[in-house]
Order: sequence, then structure tokens, then C-alpha cells
Amino acid sequence: GAGVSQTPSNKVTEKGKYVELRCDPISGHTALYWYRQSLGQGPEFLIYFQGTGAADDSGLPNDRFFAVRPEGSVSTLKIQRTERGDSAVYLCASSLMGDGYTEAFFGQGTRLTVV
Amino acid sequence: ELKVEQNPLFLSMQEGKNYTIYCNYSTTSDRLYWYRQDPGKSLESLFVLLSNGAVKQEGRLMASLDTKARLSTLHITAAVHDLSATYFCAVGVLYNFNKFYFGSGTKLNVKP
Repeated sequence: GAGVSQTPSNKVTEKGKYVELRCDPISGHTALYWYRQSLGQGPEFLIYFQGTGAADDSGLPNDRFFAVRPEGSVSTLKIQRTERGDSAVYLCASSLMGDGYTEAFFGQGTRLTVV
Repeated sequence: ELKVEQNPLFLSMQEGKNYTIYCNYSTTSDRLYWYRQDPGKSLESLFVLLSNGAVKQEGRLMASLDTKARLSTLHITAAVHDLSATYFCAVGVLYNFNKFYFGSGTKLNVKP
């Protein structure tokens, strides 16, 4: 596709449940990022992939959060035992090369609501 | 941890006026990005600034970077209503440029 695609666009789940959020990056982009944006705030870094490997996962808040990118393209962010504090918009971005010189393009986000 | 501060956080201005949004950051970096976000939408890349003294312009927006002062500015010239949005600056961490730290955003409202 032309841009970064995220599914679902909205997800409502009950506290304690498991959720998966999917990201399809721009074709050919080797770098992929996950960010989380709370209402009225700027996005916060979660994890960065270069190819299939997680090059930096220092932003994942705890071990309930995990992300994979098995074939170096699509990525899935997985959240176990969801808590109400996990409610936010989860943004995925991709860039051609993970060198900081090229801009990152963001998807529309998945709005996660934990009730 | 790198801290990024934007000001003002809210800006209401009349069409035709000029204004500047400031982005200060706390540690050394020469990777600075500006994004625009419309309500309910994702972030749209505006500018990528990669060196001290870099200046980029697109339409009524001009961005600059002073790495010595750890400051970037986004200048709006003769604002129009279509520029109403939230503007974010993001700073790349030195030696780990794939980790961006975002400011809290400046919500701009241009009144017709």
C-alpha cells in the first residue's frame, strides 16, 4: 500500500485480556517503530525494529508488552493482561533506513480502550 | 533521558499574523523532526533537520535548528485557517537516532 497501515483502528477490550495490534509498513522500509500516544501528549517510543530484529526495546513499559516482526515486514504488538492504564493510541511508523536521516512515516494508529 | 519542551502549548492567532513555536531539548543531538497532527489523525512529516544551522521552508512554514543552543523553531508566516493543527517536534537520540523523543505538542488555532 501507499502508506503505513494499522489494524484494527479501534479496539475495546476488558481488563485482563490479551490484545494484538498489527502494523503493515511501507513496502521496502527496513526500519519499523512502535509509539504510544496518550491523550494530549506527544508519542512515546516503545520499540524499534531493523529488519526482523528488535534493535531497541527500551521503551516497552513492562514484560506484558511484546512485539515481533518475523519476516521483516509486518509487525505485531502484543499486550498481555491489559490494564486500564494501557489505554492509548498505538502508532506504528516505518522509514526506509534506520539511520535517522530519513523521515519516519506514521500510520493512523490503533486506539486501544481497556474497560 | 532526553527531555523535549515545546512552547507555547496552545496558540490562538488571527489569520495573516506571524508566530514562532519553540522546541528546546536537553542533550546533544543533530536530528530534529517536525510533525503535524490533525484531530483524530496520524502524524504528517513536515521537516527533517540534520545539521546545525539547517533551515527548511515549505509554504508558510519555516523550520530551523541551532544545535549549540539545543533549539529548533517553527515559524509561521501569514497564518491561514488550514494551518490549524497540533505541531510536534521530535529529537533523535545521539548514537541512537531511531529513538525519537517528542515534545508535548503545540495546539495551533488560526481564527478566520
